Amino acid sequence: NAGVMQNPRHLVRRRGQEARLRCSPMKGHSHVYWYRQLPEEGLKFMVYLQKENIIDESGMPKERFSAEFPKEGPSILRIQQVVRGDSAAYFCASSPLQRGSYNEQFFGPGTRLTVL
Amino acid sequence: RKEVEQDPGPFNVPEGATVAFNCTYSNSASQSFFWYRQDCRKEPKLLMSVYSSGNEDGRFTAQLNRASQYISLLIRDSKLSDSATYLCVVNGGGSNYKLTFGKGTLLTVNP
Repeated sequence: NAGVMQNPRHLVRRRGQEARLRCSPMKGHSHVYWYRQLPEEGLKFMVYLQKENIIDESGMPKERFSAEFPKEGPSILRIQQVVRGDSAAYFCASSPLQRGSYNEQFFGPGTRLTVL
Repeated sequence: RKEVEQDPGPFNVPEGATVAFNCTYSNSASQSFFWYRQDCRKEPKLLMSVYSSGNEDGRFTAQLNRASQYISLLIRDSKLSDSATYLCVVNGGGSNYKLTFGKGTLLTVNP
């Protein structure tokens, strides 16, 4: 399967624990984006990364959230000291080298985080 | 005003019906426009990009009116498999990567 891969698909954490979400982009894609979908809400942009670089993290909460896309391995979204409000579906998307204004992004199956 | 606003729905239509979705966006600097579909508890899947000249893909036709900041999606001869939530998506303006999603319109096609 050459699509965007995310794991785990479901993650349960207790308040105060850490959550680590992983994303492997489609083959040939070098741009990764993270979005969050709260219940009954639309997807919200969180962060845009290229290999070893954070390009835009304007949608990330200022505290407890971080993201990386190392030279080797998947992109990681890390949430420290989770709270109940972090419960959501977290989707990763990837795109190839951007040309022009149309940047078609392809989404992974998501990680559903539940904080108890 | 919301950045991307869609008909809240839900839409319930019989098989074979034609159904139209409307969407408006607030950022006049937006450069690219898309329709995605999302099945229940699944990821969004790109249905089609929407170009200024309008475009068609089989039973699906998308239109863009930049002056009115309005996007539409028409589905002809609807199938049971078209049942999903349809998401209007606009790039954030000032970038070509920050997608802004509408909350979606739920479509149910009935036999």
